[in-house]
Amino acid sequence: KNQVEQSPQSLIILEGKNCTLQCNYTVSPFSNLRWYKQDTGRGPVSLTIMTFSENTKSNGRYTATLDADTKQSSLHITASQLSDSASYICVVANSGYALNFGKGTSLLVTP
Amino acid sequence: NAGVTQTPKFQVLKTGQSMTLQCAQDMNHNSMYWYRQDPGMGLRLIYYSASEGTTDKGEVPNGYNVSRLNKREFSLRLESAAPSQTSVYFCASTEGGVLYGYTFGSGTRLTVV
Repeated sequence: KNQVEQSPQSLIILEGKNCTLQCNYTVSPFSNLRWYKQDTGRGPVSLTIMTFSENTKSNGRYTATLDADTKQSSLHITASQLSDSASYICVVANSGYALNFGKGTSLLVTP
Repeated sequence: NAGVTQTPKFQVLKTGQSMTLQCAQDMNHNSMYWYRQDPGMGLRLIYYSASEGTTDKGEVPNGYNVSRLNKREFSLRLESAAPSQTSVYFCASTEGGVLYGYTFGSGTRLTVV
């Protein structure tokens, strides 16, 4: 069964600090891995998309890594801001039209 | 602004009532999707339309029907709403399948009492 597991479930950090979110998956066949940011009451917004051959991809203060051998990914947020408070969702695509969503990590950045 | 527009944003239904959730995209995307998001769970695919004129079941299709009205519009219908259908519903679109980025609407929060 295709699964996407994220940790931690929730996280609280101080503004300006860095943090790393984790994603482990058992999805086959693998097409790509995405990270989305979902603000409260809004739809998910794409941060990064990585294919099998990509190890790292950045989008501003967000950097995603992918280890396809161990089936692990991480999302690193640098110099956090209050606006980074949101749910971060790891999504692994296999083939066709199938996306496998993780449950998300809820991040709260406090002043 | 270009993107995916969903209506309504909020809706309360009584058990047994019917309603249609509307979705429209203006990016000329071929594929459109309906997902539901429940607390403590990842988004789950209800139905999708790979291209105009086609629709297919996703992971949780029971109790729902869809219509791909044209390339822009994809509607989701609940014929006889049940409390288990209380959820947040998201419409999404993409140029094709999973090789492309998805654009999501802002969601419809549905409560069935």
